[in-house]
Amino acid sequence: ILNVEQSPQSLHVQEGDSTNFTCSFPSSNFYALHWYRWETAKSPEALFVMTLNGDEKKKGRISATLNTKEGYSYLYIKGSQPEDSATYLCAYYNTDKLIFGTGTRLQVFP
Amino acid sequence: GAGVSQSPSNKVTEKGKDVELRCDPISGHTALYWYRQSLGQGLEFLIYFQGNSAPDKSGLPSDRFSAERTGGSVSTLTIQRTQQEDSAVYLCASSLEIAVSYEQYFGPGTRLTVT
Repeated sequence: ILNVEQSPQSLHVQEGDSTNFTCSFPSSNFYALHWYRWETAKSPEALFVMTLNGDEKKKGRISATLNTKEGYSYLYIKGSQPEDSATYLCAYYNTDKLIFGTGTRLQVFP
Repeated sequence: GAGVSQSPSNKVTEKGKDVELRCDPISGHTALYWYRQSLGQGLEFLIYFQGNSAPDKSGLPSDRFSAERTGGSVSTLTIQRTQQEDSAVYLCASSLEIAVSYEQYFGPGTRLTVT
């Protein structure tokens, strides 16, 4: 059974705080790691697709790093804003499908 | 351009009835995926299509679940003799191709409630 784990399960931060969360995945037979943001009442939206060990990707205030040898990825949000409130999902690519973690639910208070 | 659409957005059905959920992927996307999220659970893979073909049906929870895709476009997920444990949000996604680096574009989901 392939396990993708995310921590923490939920996070409450104040506006302006920086935050990060973790995704752990199997380190063998790695192909890709995806990050998605899922806002309430909307569809999940892709943030990053990462394929290479040491990859760092950035989109605005959000960035992600990837370590395929030890099987983890970090997602960072700098200067959190209320509109960043969402569930952040990571997904491990395995034989043509994505195995999702249960997500980290982020709430940013003004 | 138009994104992935799903219908109905909400469906309430009685236990034992059949339901059909529909997904319209982004035009030109050859890959289509079905997932579901039960209360308190993560996104669970159900099935994917490459064109009209479904190479991996291992994620379907039981033989009451089936899916098809026609014309490389619209897909329907059918649940026969629905049970209460089938209550969930069913999400459809599409991507340009089946490949590691292609992101998936999700529809808004169908919330299924079995009473």
